[in-house]
Amino acid sequence: ILNVEQSPQSLHVQEGDSTNFTCSFPSSNFYALHWYRWETAKSPEALFVMTLNGDEKKKGRISATLNTKEGYSYLYIKGSQPEDSATYLCASNTGNQFYFGTGTSLTVIP
Amino acid sequence: DVKVTQSSRYLVKRTGEKVFLECVQDMDHENMFWYRQDPGLGLRLIYFSYDVKMKEKGDIPEGYSVSREKKERFSLILESASTNQTSMYLCASSLWGQAETQYFGPGTRLLVL
Repeated sequence: ILNVEQSPQSLHVQEGDSTNFTCSFPSSNFYALHWYRWETAKSPEALFVMTLNGDEKKKGRISATLNTKEGYSYLYIKGSQPEDSATYLCASNTGNQFYFGTGTSLTVIP
Repeated sequence: DVKVTQSSRYLVKRTGEKVFLECVQDMDHENMFWYRQDPGLGLRLIYFSYDVKMKEKGDIPEGYSVSREKKERFSLILESASTNQTSMYLCASSLWGQAETQYFGPGTRLLVL
């Protein structure tokens, strides 16, 4: 079992603020790192998958970076909006099996 | 558009009942997964399947079994439900491959009384 940790556990920000959260994972036997957004009453939605050290991915106001040598990934949200309120999950996989963190719950206050 | 559906959003069962949770995907994916999610814990893998009639135990298979008779359908079975199986159950599917994205269903919230 891989130990994947996310911080902070929860976060409240004002609309328009930028924010970031962390996912740490074991750097040995690393294959890929995935970020998901999970809104209440919906399915978790894939945001990014990254495999190479130094990878950066961007989707609108959301971006992510990957450091496989030290075993962490950052997710950034620029200019947070109320619709960004969700739980953000990261997962590291070896082979077909994913290991998920406990998530960061983001609330954006209008 | 990819789609994973689960048979129920909410389910209430009694201790000792046999419970079936069904998952269907329409993307012709080889891999299918069952997870449970509990407060303070990440998604934990119960079972997965990489082909019809094939299954592999995940991290917490005790008390569960699965069935995959058709490629698009993966069933999770609680042979004799217990209160500690009260949880949110999520199904996912993916293409065969190590970095492939998993696509999730909306989840079934199961309450065992």
